[in-house]
Amino acid sequence: QVQLQQGGAALLKPSETLSLTCGVSGASFSGHFWTWIRQPPGKGLEWIGEINHLGSATSNSSLKSRVTISIDPSRNHFSLRLTSVTAADTAVYYCARYPYTDYGRFDSWGQGTLVTVSS
Amino acid sequence: QSALTQPASVSGSPGQSITISCTGTRSDVGSYNLISWYEQHPGKAPRLLIYEVKKRPSGVSNRFSGSKSGNTASLTISGLQAEDEADYFCCSYVGSSTYVFGTGTKVTVL
Repeated sequence: QVQLQQGGAALLKPSETLSLTCGVSGASFSGHFWTWIRQPPGKGLEWIGEINHLGSATSNSSLKSRVTISIDPSRNHFSLRLTSVTAADTAVYYCARYPYTDYGRFDSWGQGTLVTVSS
Repeated sequence: QSALTQPASVSGSPGQSITISCTGTRSDVGSYNLISWYEQHPGKAPRLLIYEVKKRPSGVSNRFSGSKSGNTASLTISGLQAEDEADYFCCSYVGSSTYVFGTGTKVTVL
């Protein structure tokens, strides 16, 4: 059974770079898209971007210039990098996956990481 | 890409049925049968309830059902139970390997 494991909470200052990693166990990277989704406190979900096992990534156009998603199957993880953070980037960040055969079927999620941006 | 529109809250009594709407545009909900629904309890990660408009993953109660008409998708919860009190989100594929979520609906069991 697949498990997505995320790290503990993070505190950043404005203009710093957010770096998160999602560890994957119990599943192969092939055949799935690996995704980042965030949720500001008390608000809805926002799709950030995704990557496949070959390293081909797409991201939300509203964040595109600041987002980098990478994958390292040999180390069983994929990562999110968000530059120049502001208070608006304060959110719980989730990693998730869905299969190539069922677009949008986010069937496994990490537990989430609270990222707070504050001076 | 703007968030899909959901009612902020829906309530019902135990045993009743409720329906949550998810309204988008011709470019998202109206163009793809790739609509999914998620349940989220406080402090927890979302849980998949429905995918591809009406398909239920194994382990999800058949009290949850999905449908779509035009630019609006819907989630119906039948036989409402206390444990169904949670936030619910829809999600639509919008092309070019991108997605948009709904604004979220808080379900209250009276």
